[in-house]
This record gives sequence, structure tokens and C-alpha cells, in this order.
Amino acid sequence: DFQMTQSPSTLSASVGDRVTITCRASQTISTWLAWYQQKPGKAPKLLIYAASDLESGVPSRFSGSGSGTEFTLTISSLQPDDFATYYCQQYNTYSWTFGQGTKVEVK
Amino acid sequence: EVQVVQSGAEVKKSGESLKISCKGFGYSFTSHWITWVRQMPGKGLEWMGRIDPEDSYTNYSPSFQGHVTMSVDKSINTAYLQWSSLKASDTAMYYCARLRFGVHKPCDIWGQGTMVTVSS
Repeated sequence: DFQMTQSPSTLSASVGDRVTITCRASQTISTWLAWYQQKPGKAPKLLIYAASDLESGVPSRFSGSGSGTEFTLTISSLQPDDFATYYCQQYNTYSWTFGQGTKVEVK
Repeated sequence: EVQVVQSGAEVKKSGESLKISCKGFGYSFTSHWITWVRQMPGKGLEWMGRIDPEDSYTNYSPSFQGHVTMSVDKSINTAYLQWSSLKASDTAMYYCARLRFGVHKPCDIWGQGTMVTVSS
């Protein structure tokens, strides 16, 4: 079974900060990786797929990179609407495994 | 508008059965697999499994295999998640999501979630 490990679990930041979240896969997954944002009481929202492709309508301050086993989600300049929990997800073969989540909170 | 709409919240007792639904609107329902995701209170997202609405082929996460059953009725563009005997530990929010058609299959359209509460 695939394991996805995100770090950190919690991140304290201020508006305008550059924020980076890391996701590591237990096995190589090429670029079969997505990132989601979830706000309290809401369904997750797709941000990035294929490791670095920005979903339509998602602000360009969000970017993704990586391949194989190491991936990052970067928010170039954190905005008030970005305080949320972020999840990575691999979709290699016929399983879709999530990381445990990273909560971005107000510093 | 492309969307998936889930059935409403449920309150059940341990041992009871339950079937919740997920209906697709605004797209070709049989062209996109449907996946189910569990979120226990205050916890992260857990992938449960996926179903192909065209032929009802399923694959389940090992953590959920044998505990839930996924099905579809493509005549009404609806997918289902069911339990034959609920446990208190099944209390959670359950999301369905559409998987994108193509080589890369992220969850691109999400339902609003169905809250299931099971009392012991």
C-alpha cells in the first residue's frame, strides 16, 4: 500500500508569506499527484494535478513541483483566503491515497 | 453546471443498514469514475474506493474492503455507498467525488458531503 507523508502537520504563517508544504510518497509515483485545499465544514477543492498543473480557476500564487517520491506545494504570497488545510493525494495504479494534511494557520 | 449532489444527513443506530447517494449533473455520468472519501470528525481524508459507472467495476481500499459496498444506477446517474450493519465508528462525513476522465484522474468535482451519525 502507498503511504503519503506530509510535512509539516501545522504551519503558522502571516499574510504575504511564502509557504511551502512537502509531500513524500513511499514508492515512486512519477507525477501522479494532486493537491487539495479544504476549509472547515466544506468539501475539498482541487488545486493542482499531475504534480504541477494548475486547476482552472485556481490563483497563480499556488504552484506544485516534484516527481518520483518528493513533491511540494508552494503559495507564493499567502492571502487571507488561504488559511485552510491542504492535502496531497497520489493516484498511481488503482488507488488514491491521501496525505495526513497540513493545516496553515494564522501566526 | 457540472456538479455531484449527495443525499442528506443520516442518524442511525448500531447494527442498522444504510445507503447514501451521489447524483451527477451536467456531464456524461458514465464517462467519469466516482470515488468515495471518509472524513472522521476532526481527522483527515481517507480514500475508500472507486466505481466505474459504465460497468460497475469497483476497487476498494484494503481498509474498507468488506465493510462497505459501492454501486451505481446509471439510468438515473446515481452512485451509492451502503453499509449492512453500521458501527459507532462509522460516524463520519462521507464525500463522493468525480474522477477526471483521462490519463490523470484527480478528484475534480466534489459533493457537499453526507454526515452519518451512528449511536451505539
